[in-house]
Amino acid sequence: KQEVTQIPAALSVPEGENLVLNCSFTDSAIYNLQWFRQDPGKGLTSLLLIQSSQREQTSGRLNASLDKSSGRSTLYIAASQPGDSATYLCAVRPRDSNYQLIWGAGTKLIIKP
Amino acid sequence: GAGVSQSPSNKVTEKGKDVELRCDPISGHTALYWYRQSLGQGLEFLIYFQGNSAPDKSGLPSDRFSAERTGGSVSTLTIQRTQQEDSAVYLCASSLGGQGYGYTFGSGTRLTVV
Repeated sequence: KQEVTQIPAALSVPEGENLVLNCSFTDSAIYNLQWFRQDPGKGLTSLLLIQSSQREQTSGRLNASLDKSSGRSTLYIAASQPGDSATYLCAVRPRDSNYQLIWGAGTKLIIKP
Repeated sequence: GAGVSQSPSNKVTEKGKDVELRCDPISGHTALYWYRQSLGQGLEFLIYFQGNSAPDKSGLPSDRFSAERTGGSVSTLTIQRTQQEDSAVYLCASSLGGQGYGYTFGSGTRLTVV
């Protein structure tokens, strides 16, 4: 059974720092992995989608990597800003399900001005 | 449309009333998903549509919950005889039909049952 873990559960860093959020999954048989952010009381915003054949994706200050064989993904945020404060969720799409995503519990990120 | 649209954004209802939540997916997205998120909790899968069919309704919490999708587009989630434990943010997402595509979420409907 696929399980997704995100560490740390919470992270607080000063503005301007580069930081890494971690996501691990137990079964490498996935179609893709997607990173989302969620602001309090809001919906989810898709940040990056990495297909199983890809190693990384970049969007602005965000870079997500995928090491399928080791069951790990990282989300790198460069030059963090207070507006980056949110909960970051990763989700994998397993090959044994044609639609379901398996979700991590999220990392709550606070960027201190 | 440009994104997934959900309405209303907020709904306060009295216990025992019925409510309807609407989701308008991205044009051309054949797959549509409903999730629920209670305060401080993770995402709870409710139902999945492929076109107008719902292959998996296993996440619906009780028979008070139902959902339909018409024309392969708009979906409505109906909760009958609402209870206080139904209070949550209801999120809708859509995607293209293949396994390689990602989800796009709407902004959600915050339901409060008083």
